[in-house]
Amino acid sequence: QKEVEQDPGPLSVPEGAIVSLNCTYSNSAFQYFMWYRQYSRKGPELLMYTYSSGNKEDGRFTAQVDKSSKYISLFIRDSQPSDSATYLCAMTNVDSGYSTLTFGKGTMLLVSP
Amino acid sequence: DVKVTQSSRYLVKRTGEKVFLECVQDMDHENMFWYRQDPGLGLRLIYFSYDVKMKEKGDIPEGYSVSREKKERFSLILESASTNQTSMYLCASSSPHGDRGQETQYFGPGTRLLVL
Repeated sequence: QKEVEQDPGPLSVPEGAIVSLNCTYSNSAFQYFMWYRQYSRKGPELLMYTYSSGNKEDGRFTAQVDKSSKYISLFIRDSQPSDSATYLCAMTNVDSGYSTLTFGKGTMLLVSP
Repeated sequence: DVKVTQSSRYLVKRTGEKVFLECVQDMDHENMFWYRQDPGLGLRLIYFSYDVKMKEKGDIPEGYSVSREKKERFSLILESASTNQTSMYLCASSSPHGDRGQETQYFGPGTRLLVL
């Protein structure tokens, strides 16, 4: 079993739809969970960051972490064509002077006008 | 804003050539990373560095080396380029002292390398 599983998509939705993107993971030591957005031919950029379980909201985006199920989600409300990108989940545990991230392979999202 | 720059956006090299990819960050970050990204395989960590002159192997270090002589600069070296090293190379940096902690990595725009 891979450490982080993420459906590659593509996920196609009409403008205005609610989008749900998900990752599952196997390492119970992960404490920090992130979502990165990557536009075509660009580097990933941090979108959302959460620590431990719970929800975090930022505008149209909500990140949800369920550590008991080892499951994280990113919800996008009122999706826009500009949200079309690849979304990468990432996670880590921090117990030393540095940490590395474990990434999912990314889900491609296409929002049509 | 954190800025991570990479020396080239696109690069074409011949098999057997020595290739240098340069990365510079302007936020005084301690940690720097090199990844490659391939379709279906996602982001894979090649090497990282948590201090000047320090380096650690990532998941796929074979065929690569790195150099970090200055805090702001992290170089990836392909000693003898091969066609299976054709990929998108991404540099990132992070700091344990930032307001979001060291787990937040900031990425450069990437270098698309084609080895013929």
